[in-house]
Parts: sequence; C-alpha cells; structure tokens
Amino acid sequence: DAGVIQSPRHEVTEMGQEVTLRCKPISGHDYLFWYRQTMMRGLELLIYFNNNVPIDDSGMPEDRFSAKMPNASFSTLKIQPSEPRDSAVYFCASSSHGDSYEQYFGPGTRLTVT
Amino acid sequence: AQSVTQLDSQVPVFEEAPVELRCNYSSSVSVYLFWYVQYPNQGLQLLLKYLSGSTLVKGINGFEAEFNKSQTSFHLRKPSVHISDTAEYFCAVSDNGGYGNKLVFGAGTILRVKS
Repeated sequence: DAGVIQSPRHEVTEMGQEVTLRCKPISGHDYLFWYRQTMMRGLELLIYFNNNVPIDDSGMPEDRFSAKMPNASFSTLKIQPSEPRDSAVYFCASSSHGDSYEQYFGPGTRLTVT
Repeated sequence: AQSVTQLDSQVPVFEEAPVELRCNYSSSVSVYLFWYVQYPNQGLQLLLKYLSGSTLVKGINGFEAEFNKSQTSFHLRKPSVHISDTAEYFCAVSDNGGYGNKLVFGAGTILRVKS
C-alpha cells in the first residue's frame, strides 16, 4: 500500500495567488481529514469528510479556504487568495470506520506564501 | 468535548536514559487513546494505541504507554532512549461513542535525546 499521497510536497507562492493542495487517501478508507500545522497553533483540524461528504468544516479559518472530495480517491484543499499567514504544513490523513479511529497521515505539503 | 493536555512542551534526556512523556485527557465517555510520533519534515505515524483490555500497551520502537482511567492519563515511556528517538510526540483521544473517527490532538512534546 502506497499510503496517503499528497502533492505537491512544497509550494511557494506569492500573496494573492490561488493555491491547490491535493490528497489521495488509502484505498478503502472512508474518512479523510485535512490538518494544518504551525509553530504557533500546533496541529489544527480544518475539515473532514465521510464517504466524500463534508462532515465538519468548523476548523476552516475563513472563506478563502475551501475543500472538496469529488470521489473516494481524491480531495483538494484550495486557498484563494493566499496570504502570508497561511504559510504552514498541511497534512491529509485517512481512516476507516472499522479501524478503531486510527488515522494514517500523508507526508504533508509545506506551503510558503511570500 | 474531549481535550488533551501534554504537560511538557520539551523533554531533554541523555541517550540510554529512561523517559516519560505525560498526557492527560478529559472526556465524558470512554475513549480510544493514541500516541503518534513526528520526525523532522515528516508526517505523523502511529506509535501505539489503547482501545480496550490491558492497560499497558506496547508499541513500536520499544515504547509503551499505560492507560490510567482514574487519573485520566496515558503516559508514554521508554526504558532506554536512542538519538534516533529525537522527534515530536503527540497524544490524541477519540470518542468511541461518537460519530466521525475524529481525533483531538495535544500540543505535542519535543523529545531531545543528547549524547
């Protein structure tokens, strides 16, 4: 199993540009999570999906952030327009309802907004 | 709502010494408990988990943790650490009576192993 796949691994963009982060969960997993990690705020849950449906997006910081899951094998997190304070590492994780809540994390995307 | 408190933000320790990383949680229902490790520039990976049964849980890399319901704690221990154990460790809790496979993470503890 290839694990959770995220792309790109690194992204550098200028303020005001649109950024799209991508995630492929582990095959057969029915939950997908997006997290943001910063030194100041630690690990924050942004949104999660069950069977491709958003369940809780209360962690999404503002309307500039949006996430979609068009099918069971793909999800995107979009920031438009991006701001320097969005600089962080963004993680995607997936889990299965039959796997005792254990989440499997991707390697993360390091986003730098200048 | 559940919450997790990791009592130490950083723990320095010499190589081959024992270490304990402390974690307390609050929850009104029974829980599943996890410890994850994050090496520099990597994602989180599971060290061990408590679901039910024996309160002493053994994980990878020689780590173990003990679930103490009366003290609502789940401290992580290793009898002899190596330089390669230098990483950040996260405690997490899930409500196994709830919906959503959601985990609540602590703020993390950085373990620095010195030679």
